[in-house]
Amino acid sequence: GQNIDQPTEMTATEGAIVQINCTYQTSGFNGLFWYQQHAGEAPTFLSYNVLDGLEEKGRFSSFLSRSKGYSYLLLKELQMKDSASYLCAVVDSNYQLIWGAGTKLIIKP
Amino acid sequence: ETGVTQTPRHLVMGMTNKKSLKCEQHLGHNAMYWYKQSAKKPLELMFVYSLEERVENNSVPSRFSPECPNSSHLFLHLHTLQPEDSALYLCASSQEWTGAPYEQYFGPGTRLTVT
Repeated sequence: GQNIDQPTEMTATEGAIVQINCTYQTSGFNGLFWYQQHAGEAPTFLSYNVLDGLEEKGRFSSFLSRSKGYSYLLLKELQMKDSASYLCAVVDSNYQLIWGAGTKLIIKP
Repeated sequence: ETGVTQTPRHLVMGMTNKKSLKCEQHLGHNAMYWYKQSAKKPLELMFVYSLEERVENNSVPSRFSPECPNSSHLFLHLHTLQPEDSALYLCASSQEWTGAPYEQYFGPGTRLTVT
């Protein structure tokens, strides 16, 4: 079967750095998305990786290793507004999106 | 309005009621989606429409009935639901459905409670 694994919950301190991991086992691979979802709001797009390596976008970076079936989202200089759930989703060989259950990130002052 | 809108934002219905959820996208996209989101579970894709034609129906019970009258509007008709259907129902759209993966734009969702 197809599977996406993410930690259920993480806690970090304002101003610090946090890394949210995502491992996947899917039938084929056509890219990996990260979305952010604040409580009670819609998920919003953060990043898309299809090639190995690190993509940086401001305070957020996303890394992909296709050989390891692994990605992470790196958040720097954490702010209270970064408290949210972070969803990892993989595009399989049929261009179907397979979603992880999300990681709830709690930022403490 | 911009983006993807959904109405109502909250809905409480009994198991014998009939109601409809509405989604509208103002992005000129060709694909629209219905998802179910339950606490601590992955997003569950329910239906996909591409250019008003249904292209995916992931074993969804018949008590959920989608309708896509045009590429900007999507409805989810609900009847004789069960308490386990209580969840957040999200609508999304993307440029296309097939080919290169396109990011999806989500609406704020309808929080559905079945009593």
